[in-house]
Amino acid sequence: EPEVTQTPSHQVTQMGQEVILRCVPISNHLYFYWYRQILGQKVEFLVSFYNNEISEKSEIFDDQFSVERPDGSNFTLKIRSTKLEDSAMYFCASVGVEVINEKLFFGSGTQLSVL
Amino acid sequence: GDSVTQMEGPVTLSEEAFLTINCTYTATGYPSLFWYVQYPGEGLQLLLKATKADDKGSNKGFEATYRKETTSFHLEKGSVQVSDSAVYFCALVASGGSYIPTFGRGTSLIVHP
Repeated sequence: EPEVTQTPSHQVTQMGQEVILRCVPISNHLYFYWYRQILGQKVEFLVSFYNNEISEKSEIFDDQFSVERPDGSNFTLKIRSTKLEDSAMYFCASVGVEVINEKLFFGSGTQLSVL
Repeated sequence: GDSVTQMEGPVTLSEEAFLTINCTYTATGYPSLFWYVQYPGEGLQLLLKATKADDKGSNKGFEATYRKETTSFHLEKGSVQVSDSAVYFCALVASGGSYIPTFGRGTSLIVHP
């Protein structure tokens, strides 16, 4: 089965630093997502992306966050100035053209630790 | 807003025991309901789904029935195996509007031989 790939698997950074989390969605998929899960809490929606622009975003996704699809294959999440509370597992997901009731394909996640 | 509540884990069982993981939801209208599973080191994978009331989703011996009257979608398996050890996530997608799944916190299942 096709896979969504995320890199790195673990990222440690200092508070205030910028981080970029990378994802390679499945090649013919059109909708992309970022979710995060703080330890012990719910998996939270951050942002969805379609046709090279953000289609939905949550309250969490403030101006410290941005997403890009720079080259037609990668899908990145940037946090400009990390805070301690950004420490979480970040999941990228994608889904194909027929979105309704279709499954999301998830990457294995990037564990971000902000010190 | 929409939300999903799952039972706290970890759930620890012996092999061949019966499994229930409870999931209840809050949503307007008629959401679609899903169970995803995450094995160690992997991403979340769809396990089963149900798109309307009284539907039963099933896969790999797991089942869940969409109960609108109790707003529940409990996951069950008659006889668990060690290989079922994973984290299980209940999710919903609201009817109409954007396709943005809402997830619960996940329930860890540990099966001992």
